[in-house]
Amino acid sequence: AQKVTQAQTEISVVEKEDVTLDCVYETRDTTYYLFWYKQPPSGELVFLIRRNSFDEQNEISGRYSWNFQKSTSSFNFTITASQVVDSAVYFCALKAGGATNKLIFGTGTLLAVQP
Amino acid sequence: DTGVSQDPRHKITKRGQNVTFRCDPISEHNRLYWYRQTLGQGPEFLTYFQNEAQLEKSRLLSDRFSAERPKGSFSTLEIQRTEQGDSAMYLCASSIRDRGPNYGYTFGSGTRLTVV
Repeated sequence: AQKVTQAQTEISVVEKEDVTLDCVYETRDTTYYLFWYKQPPSGELVFLIRRNSFDEQNEISGRYSWNFQKSTSSFNFTITASQVVDSAVYFCALKAGGATNKLIFGTGTLLAVQP
Repeated sequence: DTGVSQDPRHKITKRGQNVTFRCDPISEHNRLYWYRQTLGQGPEFLTYFQNEAQLEKSRLLSDRFSAERPKGSFSTLEIQRTEQGDSAMYLCASSIRDRGPNYGYTFGSGTRLTVV
C-alpha cells in the first residue's frame, strides 16, 4: 500500500527561526517520486520540489532544503530563517512507479510564522 | 502560459442538483488530473486523462461523477444528484510527460462546492 504520513498537524514559529516539516512515506515500489507542495490561504497548490527514488542527493534552494533518506523512508523539508510569507499548509506527496499517475498526499502541516 | 484555470471558483447548489466544473490546463500539457480536497485533508485523486483518454479512475469516483476531456484540451467534471458529502474543493492539475527532476504537476485554484 502507498501512504504518506505528516505527523505534525500544526507548527508555530517566530520569524527567522528554522523549521523542519517531517514526511514519512510507505511504498513497495523501487521506483517512485516524492513531492512537496505549498498551499497558501488563497488555496492554490504551489509545486516546490520533486525527487525520484534513485536520487538521494539533498537539495537546497535558497532558504529551502530537503533531506531524502531512503533508509528511514523520509523526505523532510527545512525552511531556514522563516518569514511570515512562509505561512501556509505544506503537503508531501508520493507518486508510485508503474502506470499510475496519481499523487498520494499526506494530511499536510499548517505552518504559522509569527512576526 | 497562464496556468491552470478552473471555473467557477465557487458553486453553491441544492442537494439533488447536478453541477459541472470546467478546467483549462496549460496549453502544452497533455496530462490532466482531478482531485478533491476536504477541509483539513490533503487532496485525493479522482481521475487522470492523457490527451482525451481517461486512463485512471479512483474508486472515489462514484457513478454520480463523470469526467470528460473532449479533443484533449479542456476538461469537465460533472456531479449528478449532489449530496452534502460532495461539498469540497475540486482541484484540477496538468502536466507534461517527464521534463526532468524538478518538473511537477501544476494545480489550478480549485472550485469550491457547497451542497446545501
